[in-house]
Amino acid sequence: AQKVTQAQTEISVVEKEDVTLDCVYETRDTTYYLFWYKQPPSGELVFLIRRNSFDEQNEISGRYSWNFQKSTSSFNFTITASQVVDSAVYFCALGTLNDYKLSFGAGTTVTVRA
Amino acid sequence: EAGVAQSPRYKIIEKRQSVAFWCNPISGHATLYWYQQILGQGPKLLIQFQNNGVVDDSQLPKDRFSAERLKGVDSTLKIQPAKLEDSAVYLCASSPGGARREKLFFGSGTQLSVL
Repeated sequence: AQKVTQAQTEISVVEKEDVTLDCVYETRDTTYYLFWYKQPPSGELVFLIRRNSFDEQNEISGRYSWNFQKSTSSFNFTITASQVVDSAVYFCALGTLNDYKLSFGAGTTVTVRA
Repeated sequence: EAGVAQSPRYKIIEKRQSVAFWCNPISGHATLYWYQQILGQGPKLLIQFQNNGVVDDSQLPKDRFSAERLKGVDSTLKIQPAKLEDSAVYLCASSPGGARREKLFFGSGTQLSVL
């Protein structure tokens, strides 16, 4: 069975600070996909990033970056120079080839104060 | 491009009543998902359709929940009879193919309160 753990329940920062969200996953599959989604107050989840298990290259996309470490089963996500509009709940999710379900973590609520 | 449409946005019912939610996915998306999101938790998959066939309904409480996707387009999710623990946001999502590597497009959800 797949499991995603987001240990941080809430994070509060002041605008322009960096925010790093932790995600630890469990799976026995060798091929899997990791995602980060954002859920603003409007309710709909919005896709942010995706990584494949066979590609550990870490990248930066605008103010978003991620750190995928297979050795520790972690897929952390960083927002650089946070803005008030980044306030939302962020979910880490795991999909595998052998399980149709996309497993979500419990989410981390990020509050960015002006 | 129009997103995933859901209605109603909010619904309040009493326990033992019935309720239905509607979802219209993005045009051309073969796969449709219904997720249940209880307050403070991540979304949990209830049922997944590929076109009009069920791919996974292992976490759907079939004694009270039912879902259909007629003609492989829009879908309805029904709860009959509702229980207090069914209070949650019901999210519909769609994706082009259905592979686990695909990103999902979500609607804004229906917030259900069972009193």
